[in-house]
Amino acid sequence: GENVEQHPSTLSVQEGDSAVIKCTYSDSASNYFPWYKQELGKGPQLIIDIRSNVGEKKDQRIAVTLNKTAKHFSLHITETQPEDSAVYFCAASNSAAGNKLTFGGGTRVLVKP
Amino acid sequence: KAGVTQTPRYLIKTRGQQVTLSCSPISGHRSVSWYQQTPGQGLQFLFEYFSETQRNKGNFPGRFSGRQFSNSRSEMNVSTLELGDSALYLCASSLGVPGLDGYTFGSGTRLTVV
Repeated sequence: GENVEQHPSTLSVQEGDSAVIKCTYSDSASNYFPWYKQELGKGPQLIIDIRSNVGEKKDQRIAVTLNKTAKHFSLHITETQPEDSAVYFCAASNSAAGNKLTFGGGTRVLVKP
Repeated sequence: KAGVTQTPRYLIKTRGQQVTLSCSPISGHRSVSWYQQTPGQGLQFLFEYFSETQRNKGNFPGRFSGRQFSNSRSEMNVSTLELGDSALYLCASSLGVPGLDGYTFGSGTRLTVV
């Protein structure tokens, strides 16, 4: 089955700096890659996603890039703010196999004011 | 519009008991999936229901089961609880088109088995 690895497990940045989280996946058939943000006491919230026919996608301060050949994708957060502090999860799925997401282990991001 | 509603928010059960958790998806969403979240194993897929049918299943023992009703509401049941079943159980709903629409998660049910 699919295996998703996520790095780093913790990330501390100064407010205003950029943060980058990287994920690799094992199943070359995976074609949908969402990113979730989870705050304390809440469920994961979808922040951005990318499909395998797209190499990059941007939404304000958040961007995701996908390299299908290398089987890795990354989340970039620019101009970080204290409210960006949370746990971020990457995930992968093969839409032909149904609506099942395989998650990475998570990255705890701390933005220091 | 209302989000995904999970009840109860917190639950304490004794080993050997059984438990039922409930999930009401976003109106119009036909797919409901369940995930288990623990510090050690992270987020793991339990199963997905679409139009009252189990469409996908993760690698959990048969003690974990679920169902979906005609109004898309879903329940999951865990029988013969073990200490290791202590976790946050998350429900997620979507329109049901794999790979084309993302999940919306509820806030979860925190289950503690003592």
